[in-house]
Amino acid sequence: DAGVIQSPRHEVTEMGQEVTLRCKPISGHNSLFWYRQTMMRGLELLIYFNNNVPIDDSGMPEDRFSAKMPNASFSTLKIQPSEPRDSAVYFCASLGESSYEQYFGPGTRLTVT
Amino acid sequence: QKEVEQNSGPLSVPEGAIASLNCTYSDRVSQSFFWYRQYSGKSPELIMSIYSNGDKEDGRFTAQLNKASQYVSLLIRDSQPSDSATYLCAVKDNNDMRFGAGTRLTVKP
Repeated sequence: DAGVIQSPRHEVTEMGQEVTLRCKPISGHNSLFWYRQTMMRGLELLIYFNNNVPIDDSGMPEDRFSAKMPNASFSTLKIQPSEPRDSAVYFCASLGESSYEQYFGPGTRLTVT
Repeated sequence: QKEVEQNSGPLSVPEGAIASLNCTYSDRVSQSFFWYRQYSGKSPELIMSIYSNGDKEDGRFTAQLNKASQYVSLLIRDSQPSDSATYLCAVKDNNDMRFGAGTRLTVKP
């Protein structure tokens, strides 16, 4: 299995631009999580989906952030417009139905200038 | 606000020593507890999970859970330089998983 796949691995953009991060969970996993990690705030849960349905988006910092999961094999996290304080590493993780172990993707390092 | 607290470190131990990492949590209904290891520039990887009070051993790693004290710890025996990383404590209830800020461990040869 290829594991959780994220793209791009690195993204540099200017303030005000739209940013879209992509995630492909492990095949057969039915829960998907988006996290943000910074030195200041550590690893924060932004949103998670179960069977493609958003369950808890209370961690989404503001309306500039949105996430979708149109099918079981694909999710996006969009930031529009982006701001320098959004600079962080964004991780996607997936979880199987009968498991407690979340598998993390390699992350996307976002830099907003 | 549900909190997961860890000493940020850095914690430095000599090679071969026991490294002790601690974590406290605020939500009494938490059910599952995890330790993740994260090397610099990499993603977190699960190394231990524990669900009931007591000790759970896996190789050089021992997780300890005390739900009454809302405390979970990770012991690493015979520490190796390759154990140098940030260790994240994670606590799960019915709804979500919350991570501590992590403890940075350095094992000196």
